Amino acid sequence: QVQLQESGSGLVKPSETLSLTCAVSGASISSGGYSWSWIRQPPGKGLEWIGYISHSGSTFYIPSLQSRVTISADGSKNLFSLQMKYVTAADTAVYYCARSRGTQPYYFDYWGHGTLVSVSS
Amino acid sequence: DIQMTQSPSSLSASVGDRVTITCRASRDISNYLNWYQQKPGKAPKLLIFDVNNLHTGVPSRFSGSGSGTDFSLTISSLQPEDIATYYCQHYDLLPLAFGQGTRLDLK
Repeated sequence: QVQLQESGSGLVKPSETLSLTCAVSGASISSGGYSWSWIRQPPGKGLEWIGYISHSGSTFYIPSLQSRVTISADGSKNLFSLQMKYVTAADTAVYYCARSRGTQPYYFDYWGHGTLVSVSS
Repeated sequence: DIQMTQSPSSLSASVGDRVTITCRASRDISNYLNWYQQKPGKAPKLLIFDVNNLHTGVPSRFSGSGSGTDFSLTISSLQPEDIATYYCQHYDLLPLAFGQGTRLDLK
């Protein structure tokens, strides 16, 4: 059974860096056929896809966040990570990691439970 | 970028009702369309991929249709456990995107 588990800083100060990790079990992030994404959901709002990393390390970020976001992976630990610089209150959200079939995101068949990140001084 | 617009934004229905939610893409996305169900405090769950393919374990009362720019999700007979928010998602090209969601309540 594939499982994803987010962890990281739950409270971040404005202008600082948000760091989250997604630990994957039941599947290898280095094996082909899948990609690994971060998706966020501000309180009471809809889903926003942030970007992904492929099994080979290729990445893509949405244009509105491209200058502030980095997604990386550690195959030896079977986890992938999200870093977001210069956060503001608008970045307060539940952050989900998810697996997608395909070398580029296709449909998200496994999701983490989500972790709430609040940006506040 | 392709925008996805769902309608209605919210919907009230009774148990046993047939419910339809629509999703419109800002340009032709062929059949590159998925649907998710999200219950409060939970992660979204995949319902349907490629317009009309039910994900493993999804009840057959759920169905999807459409192509090009107009798509729909139908629940043939609403059950209490179907109360949730539903999202469409395209993957025609990057960046992929979700619709804004349709909240389904019991009347």
